[in-house]
Amino acid sequence: GENVEQHPSTLSVQEGDSAVIKCTYSDSASNYFPWYKQELGKGPQLIIDIRSNVGEKKDQRIAVTLNKTAKHFSLHITETQPEDSAVYFCAASTKAGGFKTIFGAGTRLFVKA
Amino acid sequence: GAGVSQSPSNKVTEKGKDVELRCDPISGHTALYWYRQSLGQGLEFLIYFQGNSAPDKSGLPSDRFSAERTGGSVSTLTIQRTQQEDSAVYLCASSSGLAGGANVLTFGAGSRLTVL
Repeated sequence: GENVEQHPSTLSVQEGDSAVIKCTYSDSASNYFPWYKQELGKGPQLIIDIRSNVGEKKDQRIAVTLNKTAKHFSLHITETQPEDSAVYFCAASTKAGGFKTIFGAGTRLFVKA
Repeated sequence: GAGVSQSPSNKVTEKGKDVELRCDPISGHTALYWYRQSLGQGLEFLIYFQGNSAPDKSGLPSDRFSAERTGGSVSTLTIQRTQQEDSAVYLCASSSGLAGGANVLTFGAGSRLTVL
């Protein structure tokens, strides 16, 4: 089955700096890669996603890149703000798995003011 | 409803007791997922329901765990003879399935289970 690895587990940056979180997946049939943000005491919420027919997608300060050959994808947050502090999860989903979504272990991001 | 509703939000039980956790998905969503999140950890896949298909139970950690989804809507996760290692937040999510290839999950706030 699918396995998703995520790094780093913890990331601390200064406000205004960029943050990068990286993930790899194992199942070459995976075709949809969402990123979720989880704030304290809440369920994860989708912040951005990318499909396998696209190499890069941007939405304001966040962007995702996908390298299908290497089976890895990354989240980039620019001009970080204290409210970006949260846990971020990458995930992979494949039609072959009935669209079962498997998550990485998460990255706890701290943005220092 | 407007979102995914889970109950109870908090449950404290004694070791050996059975517990039931409920999930009310977004109306019309055909897919429903259960995940477990231990303190400070990631999202561990438990079980996945899609329409009328047989559920994918491959993530259930032991036969003490079971789940059902009645009428394609509400789901109940049951843990029998609870153990201390079952203590975690149990998250439910639903999705509409295919939406142009994107499978966007909407999560509930979770049920925090503490086994004493």
